[in-house]
Amino acid sequence: TQLLEQSPQFLSIQEGENLTVYCNSSSVFSSLQWYRQEPGEGPVLLVTVVTGGEVKKLKRLTFQFGDARKDSSLHITAAQPGDTGLYLCAPGGGYQKVTFGTGTKLQVIP
Amino acid sequence: NAGVTQTPKFRVLKTGQSMTLLCAQDMNHEYMYWYRQDPGMGLRLIHYSVGEGTTAKGEVPDGYNVSRLKKQNFLLGLESAAPSQTSVYFCASSLDRGYSNQPQHFGDGTRLSIL
Repeated sequence: TQLLEQSPQFLSIQEGENLTVYCNSSSVFSSLQWYRQEPGEGPVLLVTVVTGGEVKKLKRLTFQFGDARKDSSLHITAAQPGDTGLYLCAPGGGYQKVTFGTGTKLQVIP
Repeated sequence: NAGVTQTPKFRVLKTGQSMTLLCAQDMNHEYMYWYRQDPGMGLRLIHYSVGEGTTAKGEVPDGYNVSRLKKQNFLLGLESAAPSQTSVYFCASSLDRGYSNQPQHFGDGTRLSIL
């Protein structure tokens, strides 16, 4: 089982601020996926990072995969209330038994 | 576009009662999963299936049973419900996970309370 630790657990910020959340492990992954879960709904995939050092952008969200492929970060620029939710990371392909990280709960206050 | 549908959406049970949660997907996905989500503990894998007729244990399988008699359906059973099983249950499916980066598609969850 792959263990993924996410930090911080909770984050409450004002609209317009920037933030970074982290997903760390001692294991090497072929890829990592980031999901966002809004209240009352299931998680939805945001992005998959595949190559060590890769940076992917999704509007104001920037995802980075560590060079050693053991960790990943998500940076949000100028956060908006619509970014509120639980952010989860999980291993990408290569695993049948998928273990999610514990998640970062983000609240963006208008 | 139904995707993954979970039934029921809410349920209250008494300790010792049994029930079955149904998950149906219309995407012809091979892999299906059942998770439970509790405050501060993220998503924990209960059981999963890599194809019709197959099931396997996840992280927290005790107290649950599953069946995948049809490719599109994955059932989660609680034979004798306990208060510790109060949680939000999510079903997910994916096209393939073994060697590709296929995403998991989730249902909207079943909120289960055991009194």
